[in-house]
Amino acid sequence: DVKVTQSSRYLVKRTGEKVFLECVQDMDHENMFWYRQDPGLGLRLIYFSYDVKMKEKGDIPEGYSVSREKKERFSLILESASTNQTSMYLCASKTRDRRATLAKNIQYFGAGTRLSVL
Amino acid sequence: QKEVEQDPGPLSVPEGAIVSLNCTYSNSAFQYFMWYRQYSRKGPELLMYTYSSGNKEDGRFTAQVDKSSKYISLFIRDSQPSDSATYLCAMSANSGAGSYQLTFGKGTKLSVIP
Repeated sequence: DVKVTQSSRYLVKRTGEKVFLECVQDMDHENMFWYRQDPGLGLRLIYFSYDVKMKEKGDIPEGYSVSREKKERFSLILESASTNQTSMYLCASKTRDRRATLAKNIQYFGAGTRLSVL
Repeated sequence: QKEVEQDPGPLSVPEGAIVSLNCTYSNSAFQYFMWYRQYSRKGPELLMYTYSSGNKEDGRFTAQVDKSSKYISLFIRDSQPSDSATYLCAMSANSGAGSYQLTFGKGTKLSVIP
């Protein structure tokens, strides 16, 4: 089974703090994603990465950055946390293997990190 | 018009009822369709996955895709309290190795009352 592990389930931070959210997957997936999920807004893509050191902006990248130094690890960074970044953050991974047929489209999610910025 | 529309509910049904959850979409290029289930304060987990039009059954769950109407459904038979969760539809336009994008509905919150 695919396992996507997010380092923290709950975080409380103060406005202006630098925040790191860590995600590790154990399936050698090439693609990794960071989403935030808010009531009424659904899942919104922040950033994704298709390879080590490669990243692409999603729909709402402002106020966030990412780092992918190793294939299994994808970090989301809030440079200066603000109250409007209080949210549920979800990491996901996906294979890019052409042989995986239908599985190429499946994203596997971590349990989420609920971040509160006070 | 949003790319994927999903009624947020909440939907409340008695145990044993048949549940119907639906999404409509506007992008005719979508051909891979998924349903994720998300329990409270957990991440989404894949429930059903279908390609193109037709039905797929897995136990009490049936996924239907009608591409001509741009409409997908998830049916739950003999619903159980353990089915209480938020159900997210998701879809993709292609399965190329470099493709990444899943477009999600906002989710329907389901409660099954004992």
